[in-house]
Amino acid sequence: EVQLVESGGGLVQPGRSLRLSCATSGFTFEDFGMHWVRQAPGKGLEWVSGISWNSNNIGYADSVKGRFTISRDNAENSVYLQMSSLRAEDTALYYCAKDLSVAAPTTAFDIWGQGTMVTVSS
Amino acid sequence: EMVMTQSPATLSVSPGERATLSCRASQSVSSNLAWYQQKPGQAPRLLIYGASTRATGIPARFSGSGSGTEFSLTISSLQSEDFAVYYCQQYNNWPSMYTFGRGTKLEIK
Repeated sequence: EVQLVESGGGLVQPGRSLRLSCATSGFTFEDFGMHWVRQAPGKGLEWVSGISWNSNNIGYADSVKGRFTISRDNAENSVYLQMSSLRAEDTALYYCAKDLSVAAPTTAFDIWGQGTMVTVSS
Repeated sequence: EMVMTQSPATLSVSPGERATLSCRASQSVSSNLAWYQQKPGQAPRLLIYGASTRATGIPARFSGSGSGTEFSLTISSLQSEDFAVYYCQQYNNWPSMYTFGRGTKLEIK
């Protein structure tokens, strides 16, 4: 069974940093791109960042560019999101999501984790 | 900047009836369009990709159509478990944003 399990969320003060992790199992991790998508309380979905299967392509939403860094460790079957200079508007449930297609340039997201909550507040 | 516009924001339909949800892209995304269903307290679930291909395990009552800038999701005969929020998403350009629409809430009439 394919599984994505996020961790690392919590309460953090504005301006501080936090690192999210997404541990995966049940598929050949190194073959698939991975993404972070967030959802503020009561709001819609916002793509945050993505990394291709080979780490050659990395992208960020304008709202987090320069503050967040995505990375992956194929030996650990995990993807990470390093978040710095956090703001109140970064408060959201952060989902990890997997690309549908192997080594695809662009594709939909077929498997999602249950999310980890990040609250930015003093 | 790519903008995905979903309409209506809320759709009230009776069980057994047909529901049609719309999604418009501000510029062409070819067929690189997906639909997701999200129920309260749950992660989104992929329903449709490539504008019209059902994901694994998705019932045949869900169908997608469109290309370019105009897309629709149709649920042919609504079941109680179909009442949820539906999002469209474009994935046409990498590494630019994978833009989501703001969602359509499908509620019981």
